[in-house]
Amino acid sequence: EAGVAQSPRYKIIEKRQSVAFWCNPISGHATLYWYQQILGQGPKLLIQFQNNGVVDDSQLPKDRFSAERLKGVDSTLKIQPAKLEDSAVYLCASNGGADTQYFGPGTRLTVL
Amino acid sequence: AQSVTQLDSQVPVFEEAPVELRCNYSSSVSVYLFWYVQYPNQGLQLLLKYLSGSTLVKGINGFEAEFNKSQTSFHLRKPSVHISDTAEYFCAVSEMDSNYQLIWGAGTKLIIKP
Repeated sequence: EAGVAQSPRYKIIEKRQSVAFWCNPISGHATLYWYQQILGQGPKLLIQFQNNGVVDDSQLPKDRFSAERLKGVDSTLKIQPAKLEDSAVYLCASNGGADTQYFGPGTRLTVL
Repeated sequence: AQSVTQLDSQVPVFEEAPVELRCNYSSSVSVYLFWYVQYPNQGLQLLLKYLSGSTLVKGINGFEAEFNKSQTSFHLRKPSVHISDTAEYFCAVSEMDSNYQLIWGAGTKLIIKP
């Protein structure tokens, strides 16, 4: 069974530019999560989807971050415009309705 | 869970020595408990979990953890570490009926000394 796929693995941008990350969850997993992991910290949930609906986006900075999961399968997270403090690893995870989240390898974003 | 505390940011230990990584949580309801491992430049991988039943849980790579409800702890242990265990370890808690949302600790870096 294929795991959670994410791309790109690394991205370097200048501040005020925009960037997008892509995630393809494990086949059949209805729940998808985006996390932000700043160096030296645990993951912070940005948004949780159930199929193509948003369950929780209370910690998503909506003035610059957006996410969609239009067909209830893969998802895109966008930042526009990026700030220096957005430098982090962005993790995608999926859950098939049980208790365990499965994580992708992450995208390491560096904002200069 | 309101918070998860991993008491040590780094734990250095000699190869083949035992190790314990500490995790405490605060919550007013019943919880599920997890330990994840993150190897350098990789995503998070589940080590073990406690949902119910026996408070001693065994996971992959020889790790185990014990749930102590009275002390609200879920410490991770391994009797003999190997150089390949070098990684960051995260404790996470999910409150029942929270749609399996995880509250994460800040992580503990396990440093294996040869």
